[in-house]
Amino acid sequence: EAQVTQNPRYLITVTGKKLTVTCSQNMNHEYMSWYRQDPGLGLRQIYYSMNVEVTDKGDVPEGYKVSRKEKRNFPLILESPSPNQTSLYFCASSFSGSGELFFGEGSRLTVL
Amino acid sequence: GESVGLHLPTLSVQEGDNSIINCAYSNSASDYFIWYKQESGKGPQFIIDIRSNMDKRQGQRVTVLLNKTVKHLSLQIAATQPGDSAVYFCAENGDGTASKLTFGTGTRLQVTL
Repeated sequence: EAQVTQNPRYLITVTGKKLTVTCSQNMNHEYMSWYRQDPGLGLRQIYYSMNVEVTDKGDVPEGYKVSRKEKRNFPLILESPSPNQTSLYFCASSFSGSGELFFGEGSRLTVL
Repeated sequence: GESVGLHLPTLSVQEGDNSIINCAYSNSASDYFIWYKQESGKGPQFIIDIRSNMDKRQGQRVTVLLNKTVKHLSLQIAATQPGDSAVYFCAENGDGTASKLTFGTGTRLQVTL
């Protein structure tokens, strides 16, 4: 089954404790992206990757890191999480240039 | 800065009626527009897209209309069903690709029986 898998789905952590949210897709998509979703603000892009070893900032990259060492994986790293990073995070992928993004189920992160 | 917005945060429609969800955009350079549907507890799901060289595009029970003159986009759902209840987002990208999509804040569609 074609899918984008995120882990963990739910996480409660404390300020400053490094965490990684993994994202994996099995559709051989070149493009992958991370979004955060907050009430009243819609989806905002954090980082995206056009292909392996190619990443770029989205609209809200501060406090986040990403890497794209393999085509299927695009982890989101929070080196020192803060409460304002409490949010619902979505990973998405697509073939390059396509607006048909395939989204994961989301990862709800709470930073205390 | 440029933004994508929606006219109504919540739309209530009776089952069987047609639904119209509107979206205004401000980036005059945008040439690619997409509608997504997000059901409760799930990630957004692609519905339909349209490029700026078109005014209308139809899918299964859905039609997207683009009015570039007034920078307005709409999603029409025919014969709305309970399964259409969700939040609908429009998105646009100024360079015609999906590399940096800008999403609107969403409209919640409630289908009443």
